[in-house]
Amino acid sequence: DAGITQSPRHKVTETGTPVTLRCHQTENHRYMYWYRQDPGHGLRLIHYSYGVKDTDKGEVSDGYSVSRSKTEDFLLTLESATSSQTSVYFCAISEDQGWTEAFFGQGTRLTVV
Amino acid sequence: GENVGLHLPTLSVQEGDNSIINCAYSNSASDYFIWYKQESGKGPQFIIDIRSNMDKRQGQRVTVLLNKTVKHLSLQIAATQPGDSAVYFCAETYVNTDKLIFGTGTRLQVFP
Repeated sequence: DAGITQSPRHKVTETGTPVTLRCHQTENHRYMYWYRQDPGHGLRLIHYSYGVKDTDKGEVSDGYSVSRSKTEDFLLTLESATSSQTSVYFCAISEDQGWTEAFFGQGTRLTVV
Repeated sequence: GENVGLHLPTLSVQEGDNSIINCAYSNSASDYFIWYKQESGKGPQFIIDIRSNMDKRQGQRVTVLLNKTVKHLSLQIAATQPGDSAVYFCAETYVNTDKLIFGTGTRLQVFP
């Protein structure tokens, strides 16, 4: 997919452990987003970034933090994973605020046991 | 797949028929709408978009209709093909927000 890579693609972790998911883009897009996808909820926004070191919360940000130290990388961290954070996580990028030239990654399936 | 077994409304159509997928949105201030297609194991893929100053927009085999009066959006797929089988999401956003809000999705199943 258009220059956006998520890693890892699958991860199983234990409750209470820290986990970091990475989103890497080669499109030089300004905006990057983290969504989670769960049954019955569709995709919900966790956090997003509108530039290097510029981030903001989405609708389900509790228990998550993010960092963006360079344009191409947006990291999502679960400081202490809980079973409720078992989900599929998607990263998205867009060229501007208006979601033009927007692309989603392939997703990361995270299981917290 | 990555759709994690979503309990979604399902539309079943025969190959070659037309499909209509509906979406109700909640925010009357929303002024930009996007339809996404999500195949198993993949991320959402852009299909077509429409701005609030339009009622209809056509793409290749797809048409989006917007009724702002009742806050309703629909996606029409002409001559549905097996490759159209996927989950379809509508999403909305509005001026001066960075956020794209997704609907819960509809699963389209195409049978021969």
